[in-house]
Amino acid sequence: TQTVSQSDAHVTVFEGDSVELRCNYSYGGSIYLSWYIQHHGRGLQFLLKYYSGNPVVQGVNGFEAEFSKSDSSFHLRKASVHWSDSAVYFCAVSERGSNAKLTFGKGTKLSVKS
Amino acid sequence: GALVYQYPRRTICKSGTSMRMECQAVGFQATSVAWYRQSPQKTFELIALSTVNSAIKYEQNFTQEKFPISHPNLSFSSMTVLNAYLEDRGLYLCGARGSAETLYFGSGTRLTVL
Repeated sequence: TQTVSQSDAHVTVFEGDSVELRCNYSYGGSIYLSWYIQHHGRGLQFLLKYYSGNPVVQGVNGFEAEFSKSDSSFHLRKASVHWSDSAVYFCAVSERGSNAKLTFGKGTKLSVKS
Repeated sequence: GALVYQYPRRTICKSGTSMRMECQAVGFQATSVAWYRQSPQKTFELIALSTVNSAIKYEQNFTQEKFPISHPNLSFSSMTVLNAYLEDRGLYLCGARGSAETLYFGSGTRLTVL
């Protein structure tokens, strides 16, 4: 069974600050990890994913995430946030394969103050 | 790029009636489609996973009799919520997966049941 844990329900930062949103997972097999963003009242927008290779993956809008097998983590980071980054961020894990189920964390709400 | 269109964006139906939602993949071939429901508490539940020319796999607590799905080709899927009641309200998201295994989501169909 795959599980995804996002320990912070809500993170508040100021514009220009750096931010790290944490994600830990548990699964023993071959997986891929993703991050999605959901602005208020909208659908899910894909940010980035990791399945092999360089553990640091770059995504859209300056986001990056780092995979750590030893820590079972896939934290999302941004060096300098903008007010438009305010949204809910979901970490997700999936087995490899086209029929695989994507399991989401509960989400972290990021509030960026100007 | 890969885009997923979902319509309608929002719908209101009377308790006990049914509504149909549609999902269109543009720019890639959707070998599999996953239908999710996001509850008012923001958690995601997988309803079913559909692969073209294969049986649709429903998750526990969701049935074909309640949520019939059609996935006739590599760009289109639809799902109907039959006999909708208050507990069926939420944001229904369609996720389409192509060869890259990334699941791209539409903007969702928000269902309100009166």
